[in-house]
Amino acid sequence: AQSVTQPDIHITVSEGASLELRCNYSYGATPYLFWYVQSPGQGLQLLLKYFSGDTLVQGIKGFEAEFKRSQSSFNLRKPSVHWSDAAEYFCAVGFYNTDKLIFGTGTRLQVFP
Amino acid sequence: NAGVTQTPKFRILKIGQSMTLQCTQDMNHNYMYWYRQDPGMGLKLIYYSVGAGITDKGEVPNGYNVSRSTTEDFPLRLELAAPSQTSVYFCASSSTILYTFGSGTRLTVV
Repeated sequence: AQSVTQPDIHITVSEGASLELRCNYSYGATPYLFWYVQSPGQGLQLLLKYFSGDTLVQGIKGFEAEFKRSQSSFNLRKPSVHWSDAAEYFCAVGFYNTDKLIFGTGTRLQVFP
Repeated sequence: NAGVTQTPKFRILKIGQSMTLQCTQDMNHNYMYWYRQDPGMGLKLIYYSVGAGITDKGEVPNGYNVSRSTTEDFPLRLELAAPSQTSVYFCASSSTILYTFGSGTRLTVV
């Protein structure tokens, strides 16, 4: 079945530590790939996107993600987490010729000082 | 530039009541969407529209209705509110798959 999987429901890191949030998809073709962030009580904000080309993409707020076709993954990384990064993060996939996105179930990030 | 505006931000409904969640965008986007967000479930697509006069069901349309009479507006109607409709509702619009989300409506049905 087609799906977007975020295996980690909740992650806790210390401020200054590195971060990796996992995302896997199960689709026949390579989709467009996105990471969104949602701060408490807010809507979703686009962090970064992958359409084609360089498999390492840079986003806002110091985030990056790497597309690995062989693993059907699009993991989000940040070398040093700040307390303000505490939020919920959603991976999403989309496809050519349709604007519809399919979202993962989200990963809640907690940051300890 | 306001982007996507949703009203109200919060609402409490009694079972069986009806209401309309308003959504307006000022970016001239053809595509608009309604999602609901429940804890641990991510975002589920309720309805979407590819342009004025055209709407289609998403993944979880039961209990909801939509209309799209203009490019700007995409209201979501709940006719007979049920506790299962307690959720946070997000409206979004898109151009070439780049989405802009509203800030959400938190609805509680009691």
